[in-house]
Amino acid sequence: SQQGEEDPQALSIQEGENATMNCSYKTSINNLQWYRQNSGRGLVHLILIRSNEREKHSGRLRVTLDTSKKSSSLLITASRAADTASYFCATDTSGTYKYIFGTGTRLKVLA
Amino acid sequence: GAVVSQHPSWVICKSGTSVKIECRSLDFQATTMFWYRQFPKQSLMLMATSNEGSKATYEQGVEKDKFLINHASLTLSTLTVTSAHPEDSSFYICSARDPDTQYFGPGTRLTVL
Repeated sequence: SQQGEEDPQALSIQEGENATMNCSYKTSINNLQWYRQNSGRGLVHLILIRSNEREKHSGRLRVTLDTSKKSSSLLITASRAADTASYFCATDTSGTYKYIFGTGTRLKVLA
Repeated sequence: GAVVSQHPSWVICKSGTSVKIECRSLDFQATTMFWYRQFPKQSLMLMATSNEGSKATYEQGVEKDKFLINHASLTLSTLTVTSAHPEDSSFYICSARDPDTQYFGPGTRLTVL
């Protein structure tokens, strides 16, 4: 079963624009991670945010977490064509690192 | 960082045969590993939790007799798809738990003809 729902399902933007993806989940979490996946390839870990954290940054990435709304967002600033990929949130509800993935957002950055 | 490998990276087999996929943690010991499957343009679905030295725990709807999991050592878990059928064609991804985080393998693409 899917814990997280992401929106939008697909997003197409111009290079240089910002991209925002949202993840909503159903039950309380221990932590949440964001991953990137290029077509047909493995996962690339982006950011982990714990339930007691509200915001984290890594380079052009900014992740927020609102546990009261059971939602997280991933912002990619100054997007590049190389950012074209699918992005997934994954939640750990039990602290056992058993992650349940969201539905994903397919991002296309046009050069 | 830690590395998780999968073998093979891709496999094509005939319907009715069994296929074994290996997941190895290369530079750390993992008492727990996870198996996921991913259909084209869909998300990853957790299939089972593999525990070293004990039986795997399967998610609801996953047939344990069809997807046999063996976690015989602290660095190796195997997933065997028994009597594979075309609907089993998918991308299978494992992950291994280090104490503080989880690392994903590169995935195995299974195509059943």
